[in-house]
Amino acid sequence: DGGITQSPKYLFRKEGQNVTLSCEQNLNHDAMYWYRQDPGQGLRLIYYSQIVNDFQKGDIAEGYSVSREKKESFPLTVTSAQKNPTAFYLCASSTPTGEQFFGPGTRLTVL
Amino acid sequence: GEDVEQSLFLSVREGDSSVINCTYTDSSSTYLYWYKQEPGAGLQLLTYIFSNMDMKQDQRLTVLLNKKDKHLSLRIADTQTGDSAIYFCAERDPNSGGGADGLTFGKGTHLIIQP
Repeated sequence: DGGITQSPKYLFRKEGQNVTLSCEQNLNHDAMYWYRQDPGQGLRLIYYSQIVNDFQKGDIAEGYSVSREKKESFPLTVTSAQKNPTAFYLCASSTPTGEQFFGPGTRLTVL
Repeated sequence: GEDVEQSLFLSVREGDSSVINCTYTDSSSTYLYWYKQEPGAGLQLLTYIFSNMDMKQDQRLTVLLNKKDKHLSLRIADTQTGDSAIYFCAERDPNSGGGADGLTFGKGTHLIIQP
């Protein structure tokens, strides 16, 4: 089946550690996105990529990094520089007409 | 910047119609979307409407767009317990910082179903 997968579903991190969240899609979409969701805040854009080997900062990129070496994959690294990383992270990809399709999310908790 | 606003909560009785409202500010929006999020899950695209349309119906869902007032609504007929979720309104906004296909989301409306 076509879709977007994210792993792991739950992730625990100690302070000072970097962690990488996986996002894979087999929808053949060029554009991919990472959002952060906090209670009552809606979705905030972290990074996006419109094509392989290219990505751009979103509204809250500080403390995060991404790569886009393959069309199917857009991993997000949460670095130790991110001061408040506990949140629900959502990955999406979009069709050429802009409809975004979301993965199931990864809940990151800092211990 | 551009903004999309929604009420945080809506409570309806099972079997009644639910109407979730949204206002947006970008008059150049081309597409407007409704997404549904169940607890602990990602967002599911429910429906969308192109800006040159006034209404779109899809089974129990009816989307109304008033471009003059920049007002979008989602009506769910015969609301069921399975409709309990957070509903997000979003506009396609090339100026959103997400590139040509970037979306600006509202903060979501929690739909609560009373038995």
